[in-house]
Amino acid sequence: DADVTQTPRNRITKTGKRIMLECSQTKGHDRMYWYRQDPGLGLRLIYYSFDVKDINKGEISDGYSVSRQAQAKFSLSLESAIPNQTALYFCATSVDSFGTEAFFGQGTRLTVV
Amino acid sequence: KQEVTQIPAALSVPEGENLVLNCSFTDSAIYNLQWFRQDPGKGLTSLLLIQSSQREQTSGRLNASLDKSSGRSTLYIAASQPGDSATYLCAVYTGTASKLTFGTGTRLQVTL
Repeated sequence: DADVTQTPRNRITKTGKRIMLECSQTKGHDRMYWYRQDPGLGLRLIYYSFDVKDINKGEISDGYSVSRQAQAKFSLSLESAIPNQTALYFCATSVDSFGTEAFFGQGTRLTVV
Repeated sequence: KQEVTQIPAALSVPEGENLVLNCSFTDSAIYNLQWFRQDPGKGLTSLLLIQSSQREQTSGRLNASLDKSSGRSTLYIAASQPGDSATYLCAVYTGTASKLTFGTGTRLQVTL
């Protein structure tokens, strides 16, 4: 089983709908991250969490919200999806604040029509 | 603001060739640099992690070097194989931003 699991793997949704992407990890890491990947733009950070009580905005947080339900679970919500949120979304984890190795999930391909 | 550039954007080589992928970054105040591999439709697999105090790391046919002062890293792949075909991403961890900043990747194709 994967250490970092994302669900769903693929999703098509309509403009204006609310959608939640979920991430769970078995690595026991405190830090969790949500990134999105767009062609030609690389991966960009949406939100990150140092622990259950510490959530921070990344560089492109507008239109997104997150919830850290437990150490192992970090979900990303699009309150009202729009087409330019069509992207590949990745969840990642790491141990601590000194840039130890990051581990990524398999990604969720989201299409907003 | 940290910016990461990877050159070339795409590369095609015949099987067996040795090759070098390049990564440069603008802010040398990094904690580490990480090389990832991404296969189509799949997630990122960590290949090598180089701490800021290190000069290089090796894993099998892969060797990554880091010159922090000049803001450069290279990923050397020896004796390339078709199974090496993928997109290779480098990312730097900048402590002040508490995040990994990624390059846009080099898409590698190894042909028979």
